[in-house]
Order: sequence, then C-alpha cells, then structure tokens
Amino acid sequence: GAVVSQHPSRVICKSGTSVKIECRSLDFQATTMFWYRQFPKQSLMLMATSNEGSKATYEQGVEKDKFLINHASLTLSTLTVTSAHPEDSSFYICSARGGGNTYEQYFGPGTRLTVT
Amino acid sequence: DAKTTQPTSMDCAEGRAANLPCNHSTISGNEYVYWYRQIHSQGPQYIIHGLKNNETNEMASLIITEDRKSSTLILPHATLRDTAVYYCIVKANTDKLIFGTGTRLQVFP
Repeated sequence: GAVVSQHPSRVICKSGTSVKIECRSLDFQATTMFWYRQFPKQSLMLMATSNEGSKATYEQGVEKDKFLINHASLTLSTLTVTSAHPEDSSFYICSARGGGNTYEQYFGPGTRLTVT
Repeated sequence: DAKTTQPTSMDCAEGRAANLPCNHSTISGNEYVYWYRQIHSQGPQYIIHGLKNNETNEMASLIITEDRKSSTLILPHATLRDTAVYYCIVKANTDKLIFGTGTRLQVFP
C-alpha cells in the first residue's frame, strides 16, 4: 500500500510557541490531504481538508487561524499549531488520497504533541 | 446522526475467526462500506472496502448483506497483533472519512 510519513513523531513545546508538523506521501501524489486530531480514549476527529495549491477547508469548530495548513505540493502538507496551549496537546494524524480513480485514504503514523 | 452502529468491544481467542458486525441501515446507493483499524498510538490502517459484493484480500473478508443494511468484517485467524479498534465507515467515493467510535477487539491467547 501507499506510504505516508509524518515528522516529527513526538514533540514537546512550551505554551505560546508554534509547532509545525509535516505530512508526506512517499510513493504517490496526494491531491487531497486530511488532518485529524485524537484525544486519549476518543476517536479521530477531522480537522480540515486540503487540496494541493488551494486553501484548506476547516471543519466546524476548528480555528483556521490557530491551525494553519499548507499544501504546497502534491507530496507535502504541513500543519502549524500557532500559540500552542496545553489543551492543544493531542495526537495529530494526517492522511492522503491520490487522484484519478483512487479514493482510498492512507494514514500517517501520527504526531504526539505535548504542550507544557 | 451516526451512519454506522458497531458494538463497543469484542473478544476473540487467538487463532479463531473474529467476526465484527456493523449496521448501516441508512446507507445510500452510491456509498461504500470501508473498514479501517487503529492499533494503539498508531495511524489508522486501511483493511478493505466494498459496495455490494463480498470482498476478500490478504487481511480480511467483507460480507455485505443483500439489502446492504449491514456487513461483517472477518479476520479468519486472529492473532494478538490484530488487537485494535476497528472502524466501519460508509461513504461515497469522494466523501471525507468520518470516524465513529468503532469496536475495540481484544485478541487473547
């Protein structure tokens, strides 16, 4: 299957700082990428959808100015958590979907963010 | 409204078949049934999907009822590494993947 990577796998940052998480599709071109967040013992919650070269579409209740998403190429999307606070501590997971007749989504391994 | 209903948890003995049910009584004609699983602290893993015919791959089999209102994911010989949360999701091809609460499968020795 297709491979999606995330970097970093774990990050600890101080409250008020910004953190950037990268998501890469390694062996296919991802026309669409998705960002999810997962709190302990809960399911994944979709945060936003991004298409290459256009602005991301955010789900209701997700602050677009706080969670900046850039999908500048067909293999890379980034999520920047700005002015992070302890309540932003979570497991952030990206997924990627190719174009054409391929509709399956492939997920990255996730990034564990801890804000102190 | 939830599109699918799954049991909260299930147990299965190692080596036996694990049969995970999913109800999706409001499924539309253009919606597929997808199954993903998430092993603890990892990203979800695609398992299988189908429209109306039964499907089988190297990981599992998917049995969809004729009226498409329910389905069953079958892991033919469960191993300890199959312990995970299994998500049944119905969606049309271009829709977003929205996760419900899933079934927590515990495989025991």
